[in-house]
Amino acid sequence: DAGVIQSPRHEVTEMGQEVTLRCKPISGHNSLFWYRQTMMRGLELLIYFNNNVPIDDSGMPEDRFSAKMPNASFSTLKIQPSEPRDSAVYFCASSKQGLGNTIYFGEGSWLTVV
Amino acid sequence: KQEVTQIPAALSVPEGENLVLNCSFTDSAIYNLQWFRQDPGKGLTSLLLIQSSQREQTSGRLNASLDKSSGRSTLYIAASQPGDSATYLCAVRRRGGTGKLIFGQGTTLQVKP
Repeated sequence: DAGVIQSPRHEVTEMGQEVTLRCKPISGHNSLFWYRQTMMRGLELLIYFNNNVPIDDSGMPEDRFSAKMPNASFSTLKIQPSEPRDSAVYFCASSKQGLGNTIYFGEGSWLTVV
Repeated sequence: KQEVTQIPAALSVPEGENLVLNCSFTDSAIYNLQWFRQDPGKGLTSLLLIQSSQREQTSGRLNASLDKSSGRSTLYIAASQPGDSATYLCAVRRRGGTGKLIFGQGTTLQVKP
């Protein structure tokens, strides 16, 4: 199994630019999660999809952040416009449907906004 | 509101020691608790998943226990090795609502040769 695949692995961008992070979940997994990790706040859930439908987006910090899941094998997290405080590691994770299942994480996208 | 706490924040031990990492949570209404390992610059690797109806899970040198009523879990690592050096995170899956996974801040372990 290829695991959860994220791209890009690293991105450095200037403030004000649009950033798009991509995720391919594990085949057969119906639930997809976007997390953000910072030293100050640890791991925070941004948004959670089930069967391509957003279930909980209460963690999305503000309107500059948006996430889509057009099909079962692809999701994007977009930041527009980006700000230096968005610098963090963004993780995508997936699991089989059902709250009792293990969640598998990708390697993360390391974002630096200068 | 569910809060997850891990103590200690950092731990340094000599190789070969048995050690215990602690995780506590404030709301016992959980589906399960999961322990993860994170190496520097890497993603999270799932180690053990304990369902709310279970008391413990074992995998190799790792044993995780769950006491839901007291809001505690421990991760026991037997005969620690330098390769065990990493950050260990616990996370609880809330019962009710959307079942969010709430993480602790982690314990950073260093095992010295």
